[in-house]
Amino acid sequence: AQKITQTQPGMFVQEKEAVTLDCTYDTSDPSYGLFWYKQPSSGEMIFLIYQGSYDQQNATEGRYSLNFQKARKSANLVISASQLGDSAMYFCAMRWAAGNKLTFGGGTRVLVKP
Amino acid sequence: ETGVTQSPTHLIKTRGQQVTLRCSSQSGHNTVSWYQQALGQGPQFIFQYYREEENGRGNFPPRFSGLQFPNYSSELNVNALELDDSALYLCASRWTGNTEAFFGQGTRLTVV
Repeated sequence: AQKITQTQPGMFVQEKEAVTLDCTYDTSDPSYGLFWYKQPSSGEMIFLIYQGSYDQQNATEGRYSLNFQKARKSANLVISASQLGDSAMYFCAMRWAAGNKLTFGGGTRVLVKP
Repeated sequence: ETGVTQSPTHLIKTRGQQVTLRCSSQSGHNTVSWYQQALGQGPQFIFQYYREEENGRGNFPPRFSGLQFPNYSSELNVNALELDDSALYLCASRWTGNTEAFFGQGTRLTVV
């Protein structure tokens, strides 16, 4: 069975600094995708970044980068140059290639301080 | 803006009643999934529809049912509402084979 673990329930980060959000996963399937979503207080889940299990390079999307360590089954999200608008819940999720559902972690709440 | 819209945004129902939540997907997205998100938790997969057929279901009872229509809209129906059904309900659509799913803003259901 798939399992996603986010061990940081909440974090404070100073504006303009970088922050790393931890995510570990457990799966026996060789083919899977890892996702990070942002959820502001409005409720909408906003897609941030995707990493495929066979991708050789770490994914990057603007200020977001994914530190993918396959052997350790870890997919940490790095947000560089934090902005006040980055304050939100962040969810790590997985979908295995033959499956259909996203399995989510419990989330990390980030609060950016001015 | 994800192009996925849900209605209504908020809803209050009484225990035992039935509710229908609606989702309008992006044009061309043939796959829609529904998730339940209890307060303070990550979303939990309810079920998925592909080309109007259910092709995957999470650990939810049969009183949770759905429909997907040819115009890329879909519905989540919940019968015999229970207090524990109070949650944010999210729909997500994608083109099968694509990576990311695009979520709507959710419907916040309160059962009293």
